[in-house]
Amino acid sequence: DVKVTQSSRYLVKRTGEKVFLECVQDMDHENMFWYRQDPGLGLRLIYFSYDVKMKEKGDIPEGYSVSREKKERFSLILESASTNQTSMYLCASSLDSPGNTIYFGEGSWLTVV
Amino acid sequence: GDSVTQMEGPVTLSEEAFLTINCTYTATGYPSLFWYVQYPGEGLQLLLKATKADDKGSNKGFEATYRKETTSFHLEKGSVQVSDSAVYFCALPGSARQLTFGSGTQLTVLP
Repeated sequence: DVKVTQSSRYLVKRTGEKVFLECVQDMDHENMFWYRQDPGLGLRLIYFSYDVKMKEKGDIPEGYSVSREKKERFSLILESASTNQTSMYLCASSLDSPGNTIYFGEGSWLTVV
Repeated sequence: GDSVTQMEGPVTLSEEAFLTINCTYTATGYPSLFWYVQYPGEGLQLLLKATKADDKGSNKGFEATYRKETTSFHLEKGSVQVSDSAVYFCALPGSARQLTFGSGTQLTVLP
């Protein structure tokens, strides 16, 4: 089975802190994604990566950056956390082929106080 | 661009009731279609998919048929259980290798 593992399920951070959310997948997938999920807004794509060291902005990249130094690992970085970044963050991965299934991690609940 | 429109929720049913959650799509061609489920406090899981028109996807008693005539992919289950309480998302491939998701439908099944 594909496994996408997010390092932290629950985090509480202070405004202005730098926050790292880590994600690892074990199926040699080319594509990796970071989504944000908020009530009433559904899932919104923050960034995605289709190869090592490659990244593309999604729908809401402002206030975030990403890093993909190894194929299996995709990190989301909040350079200076703000309260409006309190949310559930979902990492996902897929093979790079049209119509392929995207596999999700269990999510990271981030609260910024 | 390609998009999905999903039935507004929330939906509340009694155990053993019949479930339908509507999903219609707008797309160029005939893309794969997906239903994902999100149980409380968890990430999304693939529930079922259909890769071409007239295909039926099925899993865990859920079914959805890819109907190109009506551009629909409605999710159905003949007899829901309390354990089916979750949020259900319809999706299709979007730009940039990702999936475009519907807004999600919250299902609550009462004993």
